[in-house]
Amino acid sequence: KNEVEQSPQNLTAQEGEFITINCSYSVGISALHWLQQHPGGGIVSLFMLSSGKKKHGRLIATINIQEKHSSLHITASHPRDSAVYICAVINTDKLIFGTGTRLQVFP
Amino acid sequence: DTGVSQNPRHKITKRGQNVTFRCDPISEHNRLYWYRQTLGQGPEFLTYFQNEAQLEKSRLLSDRFSAERPKGSFSTLEIQRTEQGDSAMYLCASSFGGDYGYTFGSGTRLTVV
Repeated sequence: KNEVEQSPQNLTAQEGEFITINCSYSVGISALHWLQQHPGGGIVSLFMLSSGKKKHGRLIATINIQEKHSSLHITASHPRDSAVYICAVINTDKLIFGTGTRLQVFP
Repeated sequence: DTGVSQNPRHKITKRGQNVTFRCDPISEHNRLYWYRQTLGQGPEFLTYFQNEAQLEKSRLLSDRFSAERPKGSFSTLEIQRTEQGDSAMYLCASSFGGDYGYTFGSGTRLTVV
């Protein structure tokens, strides 16, 4: 069993839909990242959080430390949101990654 | 500072050849990480440095892999006697360490034929 699990693995949506990606982890963490990866490999950090909730534009990330669970929400999704979204936790000074959720948003 | 830079972006090599990749981190960052990502998977930790000291190596890192960060600035990752299973995206990231954020490079995609 992976230390960081994401669901779903693949997600398709129509433009405008509300999207939720879930992440569960089984190790102790000091913080959790949500990352976005586009074709070609580049990874961009969207959020780093250790408690509560953060919002940036149409993106919202929440974390529940007791339940070892985090969610990434995208409101009013758009085709340009199509990418792989990766959850990664900081454990003993390094990142442990989930396998990613491939999101495709169709017009 | 233009972020984390990795070179080359793509490398195709014949099995058995040696390859070397370079990562130039953000200059103020004292930590530098190497990860490997295969198709459809999340990145896997390989090794990391704090300044010039290599603090941890993954068990994934066989003896054919070696990494250096000689002056605590750029880092190189060398793979000797490449195998087809080494084909992957090699990602570099840097940070201030602790709970500070990470900045990723665009990766080097290695194809071993």
